Amino acid sequence: EVRLVESGGGFVQPGGSLKLSCAASGFTFSTSYMNWVRQAPGEGLEWVSYISRSSSTLYYAESVKGRFTVSRDNAKNSVFLQMNSLRADDTAVYYCARLEYDGFDIWGQGTMVTVSP
Amino acid sequence: QSVLAQPPSASGTPGQRVTISCSGSSSNIGSNTVTWYRQLPGTAPKLLIYDNNQRPSGVPDRFSGSKSGTSASLVISGLQSEDEADYYCGAWDDSLNGLYVFGAGTRVTVL
Repeated sequence: EVRLVESGGGFVQPGGSLKLSCAASGFTFSTSYMNWVRQAPGEGLEWVSYISRSSSTLYYAESVKGRFTVSRDNAKNSVFLQMNSLRADDTAVYYCARLEYDGFDIWGQGTMVTVSP
Repeated sequence: QSVLAQPPSASGTPGQRVTISCSGSSSNIGSNTVTWYRQLPGTAPKLLIYDNNQRPSGVPDRFSGSKSGTSASLVISGLQSEDEADYYCGAWDDSLNGLYVFGAGTRVTVL
């Protein structure tokens, strides 16, 4: 079964850090382009970050550039999102998603990040 | 303010045809393919249409997509109660390095 499972979400104070993980199974992770997409409560989808198969190319949304870092471990079929200097407007459900055909064809169930004093 | 413009809502009765528009610019829809996603309440988004008009395996043929210039459309023919969901369009944008943009989403209500 093709699957993505996120973990690592939780409550954090403004200015704090959190590292999200996403474990992949059921497909060849090492040849897949991976992304993070988030959704604030009651809001729409916002793309956050992209990482290429070999980690040679990284992209970030302007809203997180300089604060978030995406990485992956192909040996462990996992992608990560290190989030630093968190702000209240980073509060959202964070999804990892596989990029295929210029769109996101596999999504995880999401992990909730709440930034609050 | 989303880069891709979608109507906030659409509705129809069972069996009706519903069209959702997605308007962009030359740097996104005009240069790249459009993808549509469906999000049922409380669940993760799901791929509905890719490459402007292609349906993944398992997506009913009542869903169809099209693109012309800097706009795209999703058509639901024969609306069903289970189609009540949020629908998002998305595309890569060439104006900024590696940016993917979504529409704000359209809430479809089955009357």
